Amino acid sequence: DAKTTQPNSMESNEEEPVHLPCNHSTISGTDYIHWYRQLPSQGPEYVIHGLTSNVNNRMASLAIAEDRKSSTLILHRATLRDAAVYYCILRLPGNTPLVFGKGTRLSVIA
Amino acid sequence: GAVVSQHPSRVICKSGTSVKIECRSLDFQATTMFWYRQFPKKSLMLMATSNEGSKATYEQGVEKDKFLINHASLTLSTLTVTSAHPEDSSFYICSARKPGLENNEQFFGPGTRLTVL
Repeated sequence: DAKTTQPNSMESNEEEPVHLPCNHSTISGTDYIHWYRQLPSQGPEYVIHGLTSNVNNRMASLAIAEDRKSSTLILHRATLRDAAVYYCILRLPGNTPLVFGKGTRLSVIA
Repeated sequence: GAVVSQHPSRVICKSGTSVKIECRSLDFQATTMFWYRQFPKKSLMLMATSNEGSKATYEQGVEKDKFLINHASLTLSTLTVTSAHPEDSSFYICSARKPGLENNEQFFGPGTRLTVL
């Protein structure tokens, strides 16, 4: 899997929007951009994914740069329950496993 | 969404004993499951890919005789840590994909925390 670069940690106030950046300058044309998050002492969970266009779902939005070399996960209103490590992962379609980088540890302040 | 369970959730054992961890897909069949290990404050590290009815594929540096994987059915994979030592203490997480989902989502179990004394 191609490498991604994320800030080690970020902090947000509760009920404020959060923009989590991810750089993936070596992304290939067929790599999908996936975001997962891991709450403390739990297994990771899917957040969102995209290929070229921006994506929205009930959890978050994903903004993908036009050259696809970076993307941003947007949480529109952070809550205390959003405190987690967020992983940006590139993967090819098919049954290959996710390979995790270091992720961004998001802290949410009440 | 699909559910993946693990048992036990927590285990403490003495050095030299073997520990078996079960991973089940509760509402779908998984021909492939993945095993990860996570040390404190670190990211998940892929250990192996478990294939139903055939041998597991191990990542570089993971000892196949140390970490025995059996995927005997479409809903169950087991990881056995043989002759466990304190350095094997870690959070073990399994994962599987539910066939047919457009987003190719990978579902993760809740993890098993192994402590070797």
